Amino acid sequence: QVQLLQSGAEVKKPGASVKLSCKTSGYTFTKYYMHWLRQAPGQGLEWMAIINPTDGGTAYAQKFQGRVTMTRDTSTGTVYMEVASLRSGDTAMYYCARSAYCSESTCHITAYFFQHWGQGTLVTVSS
Amino acid sequence: DIQMTQSPSTLSTSVGDRVTITCRASQTISSWLAWYQQKPGKAPKLLISEASTLESGVPSRFSGSGSGTEFTLTINSLQPDDFATYYCQQYYTYSTFGQGTRLEIK
Repeated sequence: QVQLLQSGAEVKKPGASVKLSCKTSGYTFTKYYMHWLRQAPGQGLEWMAIINPTDGGTAYAQKFQGRVTMTRDTSTGTVYMEVASLRSGDTAMYYCARSAYCSESTCHITAYFFQHWGQGTLVTVSS
Repeated sequence: DIQMTQSPSTLSTSVGDRVTITCRASQTISSWLAWYQQKPGKAPKLLISEASTLESGVPSRFSGSGSGTEFTLTINSLQPDDFATYYCQQYYTYSTFGQGTRLEIK
């Protein structure tokens, strides 16, 4: 079965960086796009980034451009997200998520909904 | 950015009720809409994609409809396990979510 196992909770000071991981199993890693999303306490869901695990191509929500970097390691089936210049507003639960299967002609749309989710990683930014 | 607006924000309802949640997009998104269920302390769970396609394993009392800018999620005969928060999500252009609808016990 598909499993997405995220790294543990983090506490960081403002201005620091954090790198989160999400180890996948139960499917062929290179066949499905991966995403990062976040949810601030008591708030809704916010999409952050997508990666094509085959070629490492990425796209980011405009809000996070230049501050967030998503990468992958195909040898271990793991995706990562690094968030730089943390501020209190970055305090949130961060989720990795896997897309559904999509064909090359439709992935530009159908890769963007989230069929499987990790358990979440709480990042707290506090001085 | 495409804005998604859900209504109502909170719905007080009872077991056995029929529930309808509405989601409106700020521009047309064709049928590129998904619905998720989230329980406290848990990750969201995909219920429906492409506006009306039920995810495998999701009970048939859940259904989705709509296209363009207006969409609905309907839950027939509400069960105790259904009290949760529901989110719509457009994926016509990247991804944005509605603010959520919380179902609470009346």
